[in-house]
Amino acid sequence: AQSVTQLGSHVSVSEGALVLLRCNYSSSVPPYLFWYVQYPNQGLQLLLKYTTGATLVKGINGFEAEFKKSETSFHLTKPSAHMSDAAEYFCAVIYNAGGTSYGKLTFGQGTILTVHP
Amino acid sequence: DAGVTQSPTHLIKTRGQQVTLRCSPKSGHDTVSWYQQALGQGPQFIFQYYEEEERQRGNFPDRFSGHQFPNYSSELNVNALLLGDSALYLCASSLGDRSSYEQYFGPGTRLTVT
Repeated sequence: AQSVTQLGSHVSVSEGALVLLRCNYSSSVPPYLFWYVQYPNQGLQLLLKYTTGATLVKGINGFEAEFKKSETSFHLTKPSAHMSDAAEYFCAVIYNAGGTSYGKLTFGQGTILTVHP
Repeated sequence: DAGVTQSPTHLIKTRGQQVTLRCSPKSGHDTVSWYQQALGQGPQFIFQYYEEEERQRGNFPDRFSGHQFPNYSSELNVNALLLGDSALYLCASSLGDRSSYEQYFGPGTRLTVT
């Protein structure tokens, strides 16, 4: 079954440190890729997306992600963590984009990011 | 510009009862998708509505059904509630032409089944 794997259910960093959240997908055909953030008791907010074109994509709040086809990965990074980045982050994928899929998002299990002062 | 809205915010039901959740899409969007997010899990796709028809469905039983109205708003109905149906139900809206596949999520409805 097509799936999304997020390595590490919890990641803890110090304020100002690099943030790296990992995501791998399971398909030989590159899907559409997304990162969402969820703050407590709220819905999901889109951080960034990759569909086609440049493999390094920039999103909101200083986040960026790089699509690596050879590694089937789409890891999320931010050079310097801020206290306000503390939240849960979800990697999501649309498989068969443009084909049989009408935008069904398949989500990873989520990674909770904690930022220490 | 109003985003995606959902009602109610919270709901408590008893096993065996039926529940209806409501969603209004972002202005200009014509497609609504519903997701179930159990505690500590990622959201799971229930189904998607476009042009008042169910266009795609995830692995959920027939107890889960929906409807889309001419104004693009949508309802999610769950019959014969089970304890395992307790979750955050998220609605997402998008454009049906799939030009970007971007989905905008509402704040969710927290359903507790006792």
